[in-house]
Amino acid sequence: QVQLVESGGGVVQPGTSLRLSCTASGFIFRTYAMYWVRQAPGKGLEWVAVISYDRTYEYYADSVEGRFIISRDNSKNRLYLQMNSLRPEDSGLYYCARDHWANCGGDCYSSPKYWGQGTLVTVSS
Amino acid sequence: DIQMTQSPSTLSASVGDRVTITCRASQPIDKWVAWFQQNPGKAPKLLLYRASTLDTGVPSRFSGSGSGTEFTLTISSLQPDDFATYYCQHYNTYSGTFGQGTKVE
Repeated sequence: QVQLVESGGGVVQPGTSLRLSCTASGFIFRTYAMYWVRQAPGKGLEWVAVISYDRTYEYYADSVEGRFIISRDNSKNRLYLQMNSLRPEDSGLYYCARDHWANCGGDCYSSPKYWGQGTLVTVSS
Repeated sequence: DIQMTQSPSTLSASVGDRVTITCRASQPIDKWVAWFQQNPGKAPKLLLYRASTLDTGVPSRFSGSGSGTEFTLTISSLQPDDFATYYCQHYNTYSGTFGQGTKVE
C-alpha cells in the first residue's frame, strides 16, 4: 500500500533553515508528481509546492517563493523541502502528498490523493 | 491568483441531515475542484475530484456538482463518521488553492 513518511521537522529560530524529507513506498515513485501542503495549528490547509514526476517543473505558493525549494531523488524514493529564511508564520504541520494519477503534468491536472501524517515545524525565538 | 471562498465556515447538523457546502472560485476554473475530508489529528482524505467524480471507496452519500465558479459538496444523509472538516481545492499543474474549510459539527 502507498506509504508516505515525513521527517525533519523541529523547533528552529526565525531566519534559519530546515530540510524536510518524505520517504515513499508502495508505488512507483518516479511516475508521480509530489506535493508539500502545510497546516498551521488550528488553521486550514495551505498548498506549498509541487514537483513533477520527472523534475521538469516545480511551482511554489507566493508565500514561500524564493525561500523554499522542493526537490526529489527518484533513485531513493524521497521528496524534500528545503526551507530557508524561516518565519514564525511558516510554523505548522507539513504534509507530503502524492498525485492522484501517474505521469500527469502539463495539460494533465491532478489533485493530491495520498497523504503522509505530517512533520511539525515550529519557528520561534 | 485564483481564490476559493468556502461557506459556511461552521455547520451544525444532525445524523440523517442533508448537508451542503459551497465553494466559489474568483474566476472560472472549469471543473478542476477536489473535495477533502479531514478528521482531527488526521491527514486529509480525498473525497471527490473533477468536481463530481467520487474517489474509490468513498460512500455514495457524498456527491459534488458545479463548474465554472460555483461548486457544492452534498452529503445526502449525514452519518456519525461525517462530522469532520471539509475543504475544497482548485488544482492545476502549477497551484492548488484550498478553501478555508467547513467544520461540520
